[in-house]
Amino acid sequence: QVQLVQSGAEVKKPGASVKVSCKASGYTFMGHYIHWVRQAPGQGLEWMGWINPNSGGTNFAQKFQGRVTMTKDASINTAYMELSSLRSDDTAVYYCAKTYYYASGRFEADYWGQGTLVTVSS
Amino acid sequence: DIQMTQSPSSLSASVGDRVTITCRASQSIDIYLNWYQQKPGKAPKLLISAASTLQSGVPSRFSGSGSGPDFTLTISSLQPEDFATYFCQQSYTSPPTFGQGTKVEIK
Repeated sequence: QVQLVQSGAEVKKPGASVKVSCKASGYTFMGHYIHWVRQAPGQGLEWMGWINPNSGGTNFAQKFQGRVTMTKDASINTAYMELSSLRSDDTAVYYCAKTYYYASGRFEADYWGQGTLVTVSS
Repeated sequence: DIQMTQSPSSLSASVGDRVTITCRASQSIDIYLNWYQQKPGKAPKLLISAASTLQSGVPSRFSGSGSGPDFTLTISSLQPEDFATYFCQQSYTSPPTFGQGTKVEIK
């Protein structure tokens, strides 16, 4: 069965970086884009960007340009999202999600990771 | 960016009630509209894609309709497990954007 398993919760100080992993199983990792979405406490959903696991190509929301990096290691079916220069308002649950359609960046996410809570606090 | 506006932001309903949630896009998005259900502490779950296509395993009491800027999610007979927050999301263009959510609570 399809699973996306994310790394555990993190506590970071302002100005630091965090790297969250997302290990995929049960489907063709290279065939489906991985998107990252975050949700601040009690708030809605905010799209951050995607990575194409086949080519390594990426596309980011303008808000995160220059601060986010998305990478992959196809040998272990894992995608990564790294966010730098953390601020208190980056405190959120970060989700990875795979696209429903093959080889499409369009965000229709049929499977999600369990979420990773990142807390930014001094 | 395309703005997605849901209404209401919350509602109270009883088991067995028919519930309708609306979502309006700030421009036409054809039928590129998805609905997600999220329960506390859990990841969102895709219920409906392309405005009206029910995902595998989703009960038939859920239905979606609409095109252009206006869409609806209907739960024909609310069940205890349906109490959750529902989000619409456009996949017409990048960046994908979400509605603010509708929290369905028990009356």
